[in-house]
Amino acid sequence: DVKVTQSSRYLVKRTGEKVFLECVQDMDHENMFWYRQDPGLGLRLIYFSYDVKMKEKGDIPEGYSVSREKKERFSLILESASTNQTSMYLCASSPDISGNTIYFGEGSWLTVV
Amino acid sequence: TQLLEQSPQFLSIQEGENLTVYCNSSSVFSSLQWYRQEPGEGPVLLVTVVTGGEVKKLKRLTFQFGDARKDSSLHITAAQPGDTGLYLCAGAKGAQKLVFGQGTRLTINP
Repeated sequence: DVKVTQSSRYLVKRTGEKVFLECVQDMDHENMFWYRQDPGLGLRLIYFSYDVKMKEKGDIPEGYSVSREKKERFSLILESASTNQTSMYLCASSPDISGNTIYFGEGSWLTVV
Repeated sequence: TQLLEQSPQFLSIQEGENLTVYCNSSSVFSSLQWYRQEPGEGPVLLVTVVTGGEVKKLKRLTFQFGDARKDSSLHITAAQPGDTGLYLCAGAKGAQKLVFGQGTRLTINP
């Protein structure tokens, strides 16, 4: 089975802190994604990567950056956390860029106070 | 702009009843997926429909892709408490990224 692991399930951070959310997949997928999920808004794509060291902005990249130094690992970085970034963050991986077959991690709940 | 509109957003029914959830768009999709997400977990893929008019069944769940590939429905027969969760539809448009609906939160009461 495909496994997408998000290392931090629950975090509480202060406004202005730098936050790292880590994601690892074990299926050698080329493509990885970071979404945030908010009530009534569904999943919104923040960033995605289709290869090591490659990244593309999604629909809501402002306030975020990403890092893909190794194929299996895709990190989401909040340079200076703000309260409006309190959300559920979902990492996903896929063998195809369109995400037709996409596997999600269990999510990271981030609260910024 | 929400490209995929799900309705209803919330649905609470009694065990044993039938229900239908809708996913509508003005855009044409190459495929459409349905996910179920339980509290505290990530979404899990239930089905992918690819052909216009396609119907797929997964036990008591029936998924249909509209003829024009712009909409889809999920029908659950004789709902059970274990069906409770957030149901998400997502559309794929070629090489573009998946577009998600806002979700339908379903509660089945014993």
